[in-house]
Amino acid sequence: SYVLTQPPSVSVAPGKTARITCGGNNIGSKSVHWYQQKPGQAPVLVIYYDSDRPSGIPERFSGSNSGNTATLTISRVEAGDEADYYCQVWDTSSDHLVVFGGGTKLTVL
Amino acid sequence: EVQLLESGGGLVQPGGSLRLSCAASGFTFNRYAMTWVRQAPGKGLEWVSVISGSGGTTDYADSVKGRFTISRDNSKNTLYLQMDTLRAEDTAVYYCATRSGSNEDYYFNYWGQGTLVTVSS
Repeated sequence: SYVLTQPPSVSVAPGKTARITCGGNNIGSKSVHWYQQKPGQAPVLVIYYDSDRPSGIPERFSGSNSGNTATLTISRVEAGDEADYYCQVWDTSSDHLVVFGGGTKLTVL
Repeated sequence: EVQLLESGGGLVQPGGSLRLSCAASGFTFNRYAMTWVRQAPGKGLEWVSVISGSGGTTDYADSVKGRFTISRDNSKNTLYLQMDTLRAEDTAVYYCATRSGSNEDYYFNYWGQGTLVTVSS
């Protein structure tokens, strides 16, 4: 089955740029979606189709996808961005239709 | 405003059954495929099941296939998950979510607040 690999944690100072990666075999050929989950809350879609933002998501959130790595970039990081972030793909070629990455804990220093 | 409200969670013994519900409002329910995603305590997200807008097509993760049944009642704008032969490893918060996208490439754009299922003796 298809595997998505995320770093367990990323730390960044306020006002700086955070980059969270999601690795997968030729992931650039797939569409990657990203979710933010704050403690005790449901996930929220922040990026879909690699780089599209749902309404209400700040422009500070952006995404890219190429080769074997997709990246969620958060510019001008704020304390309120501290959360777990998950990448997701839809994979009809495997027995697991939906694949989530293991999640990355973003800590704002 | 889209709202998804799960209910039906609770404590159940191993081998037991439980039925979760997800009441939807704020959108045309029968136009959207719906899904269940779960999250074990302190763990990541795990997809469980999906059902088409009409209810005619369903799919399941291997971990629940043959034990869980997804269904929907479009007249009541409600999604269900019947969980049988429950195991300790099914303990998790269960979220319902709307599925969007096209061309066999989908994402989940609205989520409920979740309902906790605990399987323990």
